[in-house]
Amino acid sequence: DQQVKQNSPSLSVQEGRISILNCDYTNSMFDYFLWYKKYPAEGPTFLISISSIKDKNEDGRFTVFLNKSAKHLSLHIVPSQPGDSAVYFCAASQGGKLIFGQGTELSVKP
Amino acid sequence: EAGVAQSPRYKIIEKRQSVAFWCNPISGHATLYWYQQILGQGPKLLIQFQNNGVVDDSQLPKDRFSAERLKGVDSTLKIQPAKLEDSAVYLCASSSGDYFRAYNEQFFGPGTRLTVL
Repeated sequence: DQQVKQNSPSLSVQEGRISILNCDYTNSMFDYFLWYKKYPAEGPTFLISISSIKDKNEDGRFTVFLNKSAKHLSLHIVPSQPGDSAVYFCAASQGGKLIFGQGTELSVKP
Repeated sequence: EAGVAQSPRYKIIEKRQSVAFWCNPISGHATLYWYQQILGQGPKLLIQFQNNGVVDDSQLPKDRFSAERLKGVDSTLKIQPAKLEDSAVYLCASSSGDYFRAYNEQFFGPGTRLTVL
């Protein structure tokens, strides 16, 4: 019973183009959604979040969109840079408890 | 500000042996989490402490896993005896918020990679 799903295990994009990472969830009681970024041999680091009462949050090159009716969120990175190459985890929060998706490995090619 | 520290970084043991992991959270953080991340999956919460009390251990396999947080600071996670399926990265995280807030940013340590042969 996976409440948070990232159906694309990997994504490859060209430097300068847009990267779009997707995430689906099943529990309508989640109150916050977060994206974490993970480099090899390091722990995940927080990237950006969005409250369930919002539909968009932007921070520099990173924008998260939330579609509550579809139970879907996405992370847009524009423009993509080689340093963005990492595994991205979507996470949903309920009462402070985080539930993570499986992750999407992003590769940004020069 | 120092981040979350974990040790050891890597551990290889044989099945049925015991192993312990240590975590030192960010200074002043009241909440501490242990996660298990199996290869190809996202982190899964094993246990959450608020100061030195357990607030959620619903996914901790209590027949073999145990954890404690002495004096509300450092924490240890133990597996006894280990099974092959325990091979994973064990992540420790901490946050400054309390259990009843809607959202707490969690800061993760580098993890301990456990291999059970």
